[in-house]
Amino acid sequence: SQQGEEDPQALSIQEGENATMNCSYKTSINNLQWYRQNSGRGLVHLILIRSNEREKHSGRLRVTLDTSKKSSSLLITASRAADTASYFCATDAGAAGNKLTFGGGTRVLVKP
Amino acid sequence: DTGVSQDPRHKITKRGQNVTFRCDPISEHNRLYWYRQTLGQGPEFLTYFQNEAQLEKSRLLSDRFSAERPKGSFSTLEIQRTEQGDSAMYLCASSLEGIAGGRNGIFGQGTRLTVV
Repeated sequence: SQQGEEDPQALSIQEGENATMNCSYKTSINNLQWYRQNSGRGLVHLILIRSNEREKHSGRLRVTLDTSKKSSSLLITASRAADTASYFCATDAGAAGNKLTFGGGTRVLVKP
Repeated sequence: DTGVSQDPRHKITKRGQNVTFRCDPISEHNRLYWYRQTLGQGPEFLTYFQNEAQLEKSRLLSDRFSAERPKGSFSTLEIQRTEQGDSAMYLCASSLEGIAGGRNGIFGQGTRLTVV
């Protein structure tokens, strides 16, 4: 079963605009991670935020976590055509280091 | 070591045939994970190994599926008597500790299975 639900399912923006996607989950977590997947390829880890953190930055990425609402958001600033991909949130809810449970993903299209 | 390798990248098989996929993890990683991803969905956990021990299996892993990691290095995932519903991308990941640690969890490019 998938722990996370992502919103929107699909997003189309112009190059240079910001892209925001949200993830909601159901159980308490140790951490939440965001991954990117280009069409038909493997997953690339983007960023991890721990349950005691509220915000984290990495380059053009900004992730927030609200454990009271069991939700997270990923913001990509100044998007580029190369950011076109599917983005997944994944949660670690079990004993430390066991496995990740992924959401359904947001498909982002950045138009040049 | 260039990352996690999966072989083959694509496999087309007839319904009822057996298929086997291979995953070569990053050499120093002791944990190895298998996930399945159907079109338009997120990856779903199948099973994981710590060294050669298979520590957890999902209910998705029916008795037609078997995974092994005999020497704690590469792993194989076999599907017997394939069904059309087995068509999916099979992803392997490895990590030095738990994959939930994040940065040290590396995914392979996947094996795309099509059952016709």
